[in-house]
Amino acid sequence: NAGVTQTPKFQVLKTGQSMTLQCAQDMNHNSMYWYRQDPGMGLRLIYYSASEGTTDKGEVPNGYNVSRLNKREFSLRLESAAPSQTSVYFCASSEWTGEGSTEAFFGQGTRLTVV
Amino acid sequence: AQKITQTQPGMFVQEKEAVTLDCTYDTSDQSYGLFWYKQPSSGEMIFLIYQGSYDEQNATEGRYSLNFQKARKSANLVISASQLGDSAMYFCAMRELDAGGTSYGKLTFGQGTILTVHP
Repeated sequence: NAGVTQTPKFQVLKTGQSMTLQCAQDMNHNSMYWYRQDPGMGLRLIYYSASEGTTDKGEVPNGYNVSRLNKREFSLRLESAAPSQTSVYFCASSEWTGEGSTEAFFGQGTRLTVV
Repeated sequence: AQKITQTQPGMFVQEKEAVTLDCTYDTSDQSYGLFWYKQPSSGEMIFLIYQGSYDEQNATEGRYSLNFQKARKSANLVISASQLGDSAMYFCAMRELDAGGTSYGKLTFGQGTILTVHP
C-alpha cells in the first residue's frame, strides 16, 4: 500500500533556483493538496485540486505553481526559490462521498531549505 | 479571517487523565466536515476522527471523541485515559465546498496544539 508518495524527502536549494516537488497517489482520489508547515503556523494550504483538470489557490499561493498532470499526480513548482520558502511541504489526497467523507491521506513530507 | 482556530498552543496532562483540545471554525456552508489529526515528532500525519456537519451524534473512535457544538461552531477533541504515546501535535481541520459550490475541495487546518503527557 503506497498511498501518497512524495519526492524528494529532502532538498537544499540556492536562492533563485527552481525545482518541482512530485506527488502521486494510488487510491483513485479526486482531491489533492499541497501544504507547507512552519513552526507556529500549522499547515497552510498552498494549492489544491478538487478534481482532475482543476486547480485552485489556497492561503499562500504566491511563489508557487501547480500541475494536476492526471488523476494520480499533482506537482508543486518553485520557479525562483526564496529563503522564505524554507519549510516542510506535505502533499495529501482525499475523496468526498456525500456526507461520508474519507480522511485526507498524507505523504511523508519534503524538508526544503533555501539558502 | 482564520477558518480554523486552535487557541491552545500547548497543553499538559497527566497520564491516564482526560484532556480536551479546543477547536473553533468559521464557515457559511451548511454542509462541511471536521477532522482531527495527530502529528508525532516523527512528522507523519495520522487521522484520528471525523465529524460531518449533519451528524447528530458526536463522533467517537476508541479513546477519541469529538465534542461537536454546531451552534457554537466548535469541534473539540477529547482524549480519554491519556497515554505517553499521545504526546504529539494535534491539528483540527475543516473541509468545505469549493468556490463553485459544487464539490468539496478545500481542506483547511488550524495552527495546532502540542500535547505533552506526563507520567
